[in-house]
Amino acid sequence: EDQVTQSPEALRLQEGESSSLNCSYTVSGLRGLFWYRQDPGKGPEFLFTLYSAGEEKEKERLKATLTKKESFLHITAPKPEDSATYLCAVQAFTGGTSYGKLTFGQGTILTVHP
Amino acid sequence: GAVVSQHPSRVICKSGTSVKIECRSLDFQATTMFWYRQFPKQSLMLMATSNEGSKATYEQGVEKDKFLINHASLTLSTLTVTSAHPEDSSFYICSASGLLGTDTQYFGPGTRLTVL
Repeated sequence: EDQVTQSPEALRLQEGESSSLNCSYTVSGLRGLFWYRQDPGKGPEFLFTLYSAGEEKEKERLKATLTKKESFLHITAPKPEDSATYLCAVQAFTGGTSYGKLTFGQGTILTVHP
Repeated sequence: GAVVSQHPSRVICKSGTSVKIECRSLDFQATTMFWYRQFPKQSLMLMATSNEGSKATYEQGVEKDKFLINHASLTLSTLTVTSAHPEDSSFYICSASGLLGTDTQYFGPGTRLTVL
């Protein structure tokens, strides 16, 4: 069974204080790892897809990296508007038609104080 | 690109009534649509997966007769909660994939269902 564990559960940062969120996963065969941002009362917003170990992607203050066992979401010089829940999800190769099912972690609640 | 809408955003209904939620991909054709449920302070729980013109595939423990899913076109899927009860109150979110042939899921804004 595919499993995704995110840590920490909650993270409080001061504005400008860089940090990283962790996503550890076990999957039979990784097809893709996805990062989403979710604001309260809203649907998740797509951030990144990573497909293979060593891959990195960046978007503004965010940078996602991937190894064979985990992914990191690095936040550089965060601002209060970066406060949100960050969700990690994996998609596995299942053979045949998987229809792209995602397994989500519990999320990391990020709060950035001014 | 990759905009997914849901309607309604909020709905309050009496116990025993049925509620229909629409999910539309506005600027791409969605080969697959997904329906999730999210409880407060918890992550997303997949309920079912649907492909246009096919029967939905439900996750274990999800009652297919209670949560009816129809994927009538490449841009529209509906979830009908039949004979709703207070325990069905939740945040329902849909997603759609198929943009540029990728598996990336793009999510709608969600629908808050409250059953009195």
